[in-house]
Amino acid sequence: GAVVSQHPSRVICKSGTSVKIECRSLDFQATTMFWYRQFPKQSLMLMATSNEGSKATYEQGVEKDKFLINHASLTLSTLTVTSAHPEDSSFYICSARVGGRTEAFFGQGTRLTVV
Amino acid sequence: QKEVEQDPGPLSVPEGAIVSLNCTYSNSAFQYFMWYRQYSRKGPELLMYTYSSGNKEDGRFTAQVDKSSKYISLFIRDSQPSDSATYLCAMTVNQGGKLIFGQGTELSVKP
Repeated sequence: GAVVSQHPSRVICKSGTSVKIECRSLDFQATTMFWYRQFPKQSLMLMATSNEGSKATYEQGVEKDKFLINHASLTLSTLTVTSAHPEDSSFYICSARVGGRTEAFFGQGTRLTVV
Repeated sequence: QKEVEQDPGPLSVPEGAIVSLNCTYSNSAFQYFMWYRQYSRKGPELLMYTYSSGNKEDGRFTAQVDKSSKYISLFIRDSQPSDSATYLCAMTVNQGGKLIFGQGTELSVKP
């Protein structure tokens, strides 16, 4: 149980275009989903927290207009990187938590390369 | 000072060794503690979850929490090459709170 599926696993896009990453909880309802960014050999940097049906809460320094997060249902959250630039190239990971539980379960991650 | 400190390693051990991975933290309000394993280019996988001080065992893995010293550990017995990965500790103040991660320790188990 507690499977989180993230797609795509890898994407290459041109500078200036937008990219959408999907995060789905397959066998549970995720009341809260998190989006992280991870640089090589570094820990996870929390970008935003989203609760189903409400606006995401962004961490300080994360541009909400650039990283659009939608949590439309209890099993799906999306991260859209708008007008991507090479410096947005990174490993993006989502995680999901069931209401009342503390531990979070992670997706497989998406490696974004902007050329 | 970071809220959670973790030695990044790398740590290299021979197959069969006992591995000890550690994290220290500064916020005494942390109540819930987790260990995740992350293989290269993959998302983290939950290994252990503990709430109270003391030990919790699951197969070859033992998680230890010492709240008085603000110190948590993960022990891996009979380590295998497949245990080679980065191990991240994480903790939170309350059940709905965001997780604070350590930097991760890179472990290599040599055959």
